[in-house]
Amino acid sequence: VQLQESGPGLVKPSQTLSLTCTVSSGSISSGTYYWSWVRQHPGKGLECIAYIHHSGSTYYNPSLKSRVIISIDTSKNQFSLKLSSVTAADTATYYCARVGDFPSHDFDYWGQGTLVTVSS
Amino acid sequence: DIQMTQSPSSVSASVGDRVTITCRASQGVQNWLAWYQQKPGKAPKLLIYAASRLQSGVPSRFSGSGSGADFTLTINSLQPEDFATYYCQPTNTFPLFGPGTKVDI
Repeated sequence: VQLQESGPGLVKPSQTLSLTCTVSSGSISSGTYYWSWVRQHPGKGLECIAYIHHSGSTYYNPSLKSRVIISIDTSKNQFSLKLSSVTAADTATYYCARVGDFPSHDFDYWGQGTLVTVSS
Repeated sequence: DIQMTQSPSSVSASVGDRVTITCRASQGVQNWLAWYQQKPGKAPKLLIYAASRLQSGVPSRFSGSGSGADFTLTINSLQPEDFATYYCQPTNTFPLFGPGTKVDI
């Protein structure tokens, strides 16, 4: 399984950050996996933003829930992230990753990450 | 909400050393814990899941132990490619990660 993030590397403050993860060498609809977005602020630790199952079940980090939408397009083998009202604090490297089924929600495959900078 | 701590926050080691990293959860997670390795500029890599199970392709010098709230990642005979930051993650809850332990020379 391979994952690849795509989207703008620069977003203006107050706008919406939009990223897409394309999954290859495997179906996004197969099995009991979830698909997630994780971000990492420069020089900092890892923060899970949200994850989604191909059935449509979604889970959000409570600290970001009001600004985040995660969606999935099984026909394109893609899932996406939208983060609204961004500020400089949202500048980070964003990773997409596959997540195992509960209770083993470990992240076994990751994209390479994409740096998103929020700046005017 | 569950909180994760790791110790030490950083450790200096030499090639061939044995390194032990500890992860503690604020509440028990049974054996539902994973460990990751991250090198600068790279995505994290899953090393161990279910506290002690080695992910496919991970060298056997890595091992994990523990259950409940206290866990350990051990690297035997540290290799040059092992210098990285290591994160723990409880896997039976909404994903969150420990703060990380940097292993450097």
